[in-house]
Amino acid sequence: NAGVTQTPKFQVLKTGQSMTLQCAQDMNHNSMYWYRQDPGMGLRLIYYSASEGTTDKGEVPNGYNVSRLNKREFSLRLESAAPSQTSVYFCASSPWDHRETQYFGPGTRLLVL
Amino acid sequence: AQKITQTQPGMFVQEKEAVTLDCTYDTSDPSYGLFWYKQPSSGEMIFLIYQGSYDQQNATEGRYSLNFQKARKSANLVISASQLGDSAMYFCAMREGTGGFKTIFGAGTRLFVKA
Repeated sequence: NAGVTQTPKFQVLKTGQSMTLQCAQDMNHNSMYWYRQDPGMGLRLIYYSASEGTTDKGEVPNGYNVSRLNKREFSLRLESAAPSQTSVYFCASSPWDHRETQYFGPGTRLLVL
Repeated sequence: AQKITQTQPGMFVQEKEAVTLDCTYDTSDPSYGLFWYKQPSSGEMIFLIYQGSYDQQNATEGRYSLNFQKARKSANLVISASQLGDSAMYFCAMREGTGGFKTIFGAGTRLFVKA
């Protein structure tokens, strides 16, 4: 039981490049989330998926797209990376009936030059 | 708009003593949830405790308790009998509605436990 896994762990991009961050959970959770954490700040919600087949914008969605591929997987795509997207990205999941408890992945550290 | 404020950038506590980490919030929604998460230096986020706005009693989870004062809009985390392993960043967070999905986080408080 791996919980929430994220790949890659670390990535360097040049401005304008694209990439997809992968997230998978094996806890059979309905809901999944993508956050970013900038230095000295708490997490900010980018997008979330309440259940398979649905996605919604969070606090800071601009510059990102998401795909809920199936119940297990929720990916985050940067179409044209910008230096302002340098951050640590966390994926999380929660059960439908206990949304207060989010289980987080280990994070992806992204540097955009 | 919802807002979470953590005014203590850093806190020191002696091992085995209790410590309170402050959190105030602002929302116009009568229904909300309040959380605390721990982030050790390794980077992962660990859920600690949850309080619903309609819960009558303060939440407790082992050595963690949440001092919920609704009228003052505060949700302070109390850690009893601090341990060296409690050294970490602590984030207060709030979710809209009892069944909502959007969660906002405070800027965090870094706790240092001294031996």
